Amino acid sequence: EAQVTQNPRYLITVTGKKLTVTCSQNMNHEYMSWYRQDPGLGLRQIYYSMNVEVTDKGDVPEGYKVSRKEKRNFPLILESPSPNQTSLYFCASLGRDRGFNEQFFGPGTRLTVL
Amino acid sequence: QKEVEQDPGPLSVPEGAIVSLNCTYSNSAFQYFMWYRQYSRKGPELLMYTYSSGNKEDGRFTAQVDKSSKYISLFIRDSQPSDSATYLCAMSWGSGGGADGLTFGKGTHLIIQP
Repeated sequence: EAQVTQNPRYLITVTGKKLTVTCSQNMNHEYMSWYRQDPGLGLRQIYYSMNVEVTDKGDVPEGYKVSRKEKRNFPLILESPSPNQTSLYFCASLGRDRGFNEQFFGPGTRLTVL
Repeated sequence: QKEVEQDPGPLSVPEGAIVSLNCTYSNSAFQYFMWYRQYSRKGPELLMYTYSSGNKEDGRFTAQVDKSSKYISLFIRDSQPSDSATYLCAMSWGSGGGADGLTFGKGTHLIIQP
């Protein structure tokens, strides 16, 4: 089954404690991205990656890092989380499985930073 | 003026009604228009995908794009309680993702009353 998986699904942490949210896709897609979703602000792109070792900033990259060492994985790193990073995070991969560029979203990670 | 405007709702309609969901946008360079459906606690999933102006039908769903008015619509016929979800419009100037990026509306929360 084609899917994007994220872990953990829920995380409560404290300010300043480094954390990593993992993302993995099994569709051999080259392009992957991270979004955050906040009430009243909608979905905003954090970072994206066009391929292994190629990453670039989205609309709201401050406070986040990413890496792309393997095609299937695209972890999101918060080195010193702050309360304003409390949000719902989605990983997505982009493929042309149906003949057009389609974003496949993961199930989401709800992060609370105290 | 925000790039994509979408009424957040909630929009509540009785089962069987025709639902009309809309977005307006300001960037005339947008060429690809998408509608995503997001159930509570889930990631968005692509419903409809349209290139440039015109209509596209898929079962009970019809997507319309009017580039001259910078206005897109999603119609749901014979609405069902299972259609209750948040509907996000998204658009891009490139082929629907990648470095072109996707700009999302904030989503409309739809409730279909049994």
